[in-house]
Amino acid sequence: DVKVTQSSRYLVKRTGEKVFLECVQDMDHENMFWYRQDPGLGLRLIYFSYDVKMKEKGDIPEGYSVSREKKERFSLILESASTNQTSMYLCASSFWQNEKLFFGSGTQLSVL
Amino acid sequence: QQQVKQSPQSLIVQKGGISIINCAYENTAFDYFPWYQQFPGKGPALLIAIRPDVSEKKEGRFTISFNKSAKQFSLHIMDSQPGDSATYFCAASGLTGGGNKLTFGTGTQLKVEL
Repeated sequence: DVKVTQSSRYLVKRTGEKVFLECVQDMDHENMFWYRQDPGLGLRLIYFSYDVKMKEKGDIPEGYSVSREKKERFSLILESASTNQTSMYLCASSFWQNEKLFFGSGTQLSVL
Repeated sequence: QQQVKQSPQSLIVQKGGISIINCAYENTAFDYFPWYQQFPGKGPALLIAIRPDVSEKKEGRFTISFNKSAKQFSLHIMDSQPGDSATYFCAASGLTGGGNKLTFGTGTQLKVEL
């Protein structure tokens, strides 16, 4: 069974903290994505990666960075968390670019 | 700016009825239109997808209707069941100035009542 695993289901952080969200996939997929999901706004793409050590900005990259040192792992980094980054963060992977994304269950991040 | 507009925001349908969710897009470079289904506490999962070379695609009780000239596509759920209660997202992607990114609609919360 294919699986995308996000390290935490719930996370509470303070403003200004550096936050790491980890995502691991076991499907040997080339492509990995980070989205945030907010009520009324749908899913918005933060960053994506089509290969190891490669990254591209999505639609809302400000305040975020990513790291992909290994094919199976894609990390989202909030350099200095702010309250407007309180959100549900979803990681996804795919074999062929934007077709059939497999999503993790999400990390609900609260920044206080 | 790439946009996919989805309506309605929420929908209540009686068991056995037809659920219809609509999406409209602006960018004519879009060439792939998937629908994702999300249950509470889970990530979205691909339900069905269509390319603009066909006007309709059916998988079981789920049908996508596509109108290229109007730049609209819709999801129809026939014989809706309580187990279909979920949030549905339309999406679109294609080669654009910003690269080949998947853009999602804002979601429709469907509730199927007994």
